[in-house]
Amino acid sequence: NAGVTQTPKFQVLKTGQSMTLQCAQDMNHEYMSWYRQDPGMGLRLIHYSVGAGITDQGEVPNGYNVSRSTTEDFPLRLLSAAPSQTSVYFCASSYSGPDNSPLHFGNGTRLTVT
Amino acid sequence: AQKVTQAQTEISVVEKEDVTLDCVYETRDTTYYLFWYKQPPSGELVFLIRRNSFDEQNEISGRYSWNFQKSTSSFNFTITASQVVDSAVYFCALSEAKNKLVFGAGTILRVKS
Repeated sequence: NAGVTQTPKFQVLKTGQSMTLQCAQDMNHEYMSWYRQDPGMGLRLIHYSVGAGITDQGEVPNGYNVSRSTTEDFPLRLLSAAPSQTSVYFCASSYSGPDNSPLHFGNGTRLTVT
Repeated sequence: AQKVTQAQTEISVVEKEDVTLDCVYETRDTTYYLFWYKQPPSGELVFLIRRNSFDEQNEISGRYSWNFQKSTSSFNFTITASQVVDSAVYFCALSEAKNKLVFGAGTILRVKS
């Protein structure tokens, strides 16, 4: 009953560093996505995947890469961190049926880029 | 383009008061879904309700109720007899394309004892 697991919970990076935020789900959900949460802006979609091997861009994809080699995992890569990427990142998953199943969210990763 | 507006940035009430959180949305599609999520101080996002565009019935779940009006593109959320544990950020969200949510900016609700 782990649901959606995100690691790490906190991370501090220096400008220009790269890192990968990990996300794993054990509910056999086809759909996975990454959002970032910034004050006063709600959550914005970065990238999403409708199944293994299939990914697509969301609203704010620049500076981020994703891949989906398995159903369970959907890592988010920051190629060269910038202060504008300071945010709280949420991974989410859901069934990919016709009725827009609710998203199940992880507990978030708080990233600070200095 | 899709858009969700939560005009109330922050609301403060005293315990046992009723409070309504407003949500107005914009969409060109006739088929869409609306959601409310709660984010307590601990930070996780908790799903509260999903409503599709063809179901305009209001819904009540305990102290929570939702009023969906397509004529005004609104999906408002009311908490009756608020409690301190209701203090959280509440997000309204809209989905046209499958599972891709557009969120409002959120409303911070503070319930004081």
